[in-house]
Amino acid sequence: KAGVTQTPRYLIKTRGQQVTLSCSPISGHRSVSWYQQTPGQGLQFLFEYFSETQRNKGNFPGRFSGRQFSNSRSEMNVSTLELGDSALYLCASSIGADSNQPQHFGDGTRLSIL
Amino acid sequence: GQQLNQSPQSMFIQEGEDVSMNCTSSSIFNTWLWYKQEPGEGPVLLIALYKAGELTSNGRLTAQFGITRKDSFLNISASIPSDVGIYFCAGPGSARQLTFGSGTQLTVLP
Repeated sequence: KAGVTQTPRYLIKTRGQQVTLSCSPISGHRSVSWYQQTPGQGLQFLFEYFSETQRNKGNFPGRFSGRQFSNSRSEMNVSTLELGDSALYLCASSIGADSNQPQHFGDGTRLSIL
Repeated sequence: GQQLNQSPQSMFIQEGEDVSMNCTSSSIFNTWLWYKQEPGEGPVLLIALYKAGELTSNGRLTAQFGITRKDSFLNISASIPSDVGIYFCAGPGSARQLTFGSGTQLTVLP
């Protein structure tokens, strides 16, 4: 059974640009969550989608947005990139609506801002 | 918001030794999760705990859900070099977001 797939694995951008990251969840999983991981702040929740609806959002500026498609695949977009956006962006999927169902992570997209 | 305090922050142990790490929360959790992350990879789920007092094993790993529901422990027995990595505790906070501990960096010396 394929795991969570994130593309691309690495990205280099410059300040002011925008970027779109993609996540394909485990087959049958309908919930997709996004996290930002940095050495200083650790793993921080960005947002969660279920059935194409954003159900929860973390404490990040509006430059961070996302969406989910009918096949549960999700994309995350960051506009007007800043140096501080350099991080590992992780996507996680779980089966459904229950918050106690474990989330399974992809290997992330490493975003570097120059 | 909810916070998870994980300790120790790092550990250097000899191969064959046992390891213990723990996580405490300022509030009650209904589920405790333990993940391991290796360089260049995402966190991998090791153990999930769903009931206060529950003790669950996964090979050489054993985790416990504290009775107060505010803490959890992870033990690794007879450590081997491939145990190297960062171990995270996590719990589902409000509305399906996971709150993570700061991680325990484990180094196993031959």
